[in-house]
Amino acid sequence: DIQMTQSPSTLSASVGDRVTITCRASQSISSWLAWYQQKPGKAPKLLIYKASSLESGVPSRFSGSGSGTEFTLTISSLQPDDFATYYCQQYNSYSRTWTFGQGTKVEIK
Amino acid sequence: EVQLVESGGGLVQPGGSLRLSCAASGFTFSSYWMHWVRQAPGKGLVWVSRINSDGSSTSYADSVKGRFTISRDNAKNTLYLQMNSLRAEDTAVYYCAKRGAVKGAFDIWGQGTMVTVSS
Repeated sequence: DIQMTQSPSTLSASVGDRVTITCRASQSISSWLAWYQQKPGKAPKLLIYKASSLESGVPSRFSGSGSGTEFTLTISSLQPDDFATYYCQQYNSYSRTWTFGQGTKVEIK
Repeated sequence: EVQLVESGGGLVQPGGSLRLSCAASGFTFSSYWMHWVRQAPGKGLVWVSRINSDGSSTSYADSVKGRFTISRDNAKNTLYLQMNSLRAEDTAVYYCAKRGAVKGAFDIWGQGTMVTVSS
């Protein structure tokens, strides 16, 4: 099975900071990677799909990059609404599994 | 409005069974693959199961294989998860999610339903 590893697990940052979260796959997943944001008590929300495509309605300060086994989510200027937990997910249909990373909690510094 | 609404969660004893439902509205349910994802208290997201658009193909995480069954009724716009032989480690919020046909990722999520397995 494909394993997804996110880093860091926790990130402390201030409003206005540029934030980068990394996700590594145990084998190549091409660009079949998504990023989700989850706030406490709420369902996850899709931010990025196919590694770099921005979901409709998501602010442009969010961006994704990478392919193969290494991916990043960048928030260009952290806003108060962005303090949340972020998950990457690989969705290689051929592997018949859809694996999430362990999550990165973005906290207020 | 595009919406998924889960129901059927609750408290069940170890070894017991529960059936979750996920009612879809606002989109052509029969055209999309659907998934179940769970989240244990204070933990991360874990993919559980998926079903293709006409219900002819399914797959499961190893942790639930042989115990859980995913199904759908396209006439009723409803997704199901039959959970048997429940264990304490199955305690979690269960989310249903719609897979975007072009995006491939899960673009619509329900609000979740809590399943607690405890004696």
